[in-house]
Amino acid sequence: GQQLNQSPQSMFIQEGEDVSMNCTSSSIFNTWLWYKQDPGEGPVLLIALYKAGELTSNGRLTAQFGITRKDSFLNISASIPSDVGIYFCAGLMDSSYKLIFGSGTRLLVRP
Amino acid sequence: EPEVTQTPSHQVTQMGQEVILRCVPISNHLYFYWYRQILGQKVEFLVSFYNNEISEKSEIFDDQFSVERPDGSNFTLKIRSTKLEDSAMYFCASSTGSRSQPQHFGDGTRLSIL
Repeated sequence: GQQLNQSPQSMFIQEGEDVSMNCTSSSIFNTWLWYKQDPGEGPVLLIALYKAGELTSNGRLTAQFGITRKDSFLNISASIPSDVGIYFCAGLMDSSYKLIFGSGTRLLVRP
Repeated sequence: EPEVTQTPSHQVTQMGQEVILRCVPISNHLYFYWYRQILGQKVEFLVSFYNNEISEKSEIFDDQFSVERPDGSNFTLKIRSTKLEDSAMYFCASSTGSRSQPQHFGDGTRLSIL
């Protein structure tokens, strides 16, 4: 079945550092989404990407839709303690509304 | 900002009992979904629902599961005879159906099967 490989699994960084995480797949996706999940809560949408090569920012977050449509990355600049959480990529394939999630990147920020 | 609401936040049920999880999707949304997340694992798709019928389901969504939109605002997931392995967080999501409007998730129901 379709799988998204997300890396790294976890990151422990110093406040102020930049962070990068990515997702890759052997399948082609038409939409890439990045969500953040805090403990005990549901995933919250951060960025949505709809076209190959698209680069989109949301504040300190930047994400790109890979030109092969098989990968995406998320960058967080100048991390702050409230960035702590689990970040998930998710992809949508053509003619499906089923979101396929990556396994998540757990981010810890040291003040 | 409109949001998806789910009740209860935590449900504890004896194995073999039926359970109904409830969701109120965002009011102008047309597509509804259930996902589950076993502790420490990724979020997995269960089912999508549009125009009063299931549009897509995963292999997890077997005969023990059913969904219903009993009125204009609620969307429910029923598990007929719960098993220990049904213990998980269950998330409801909704979307307008347009690909420019992605899925928005509720905060989930933690289901614990004893």
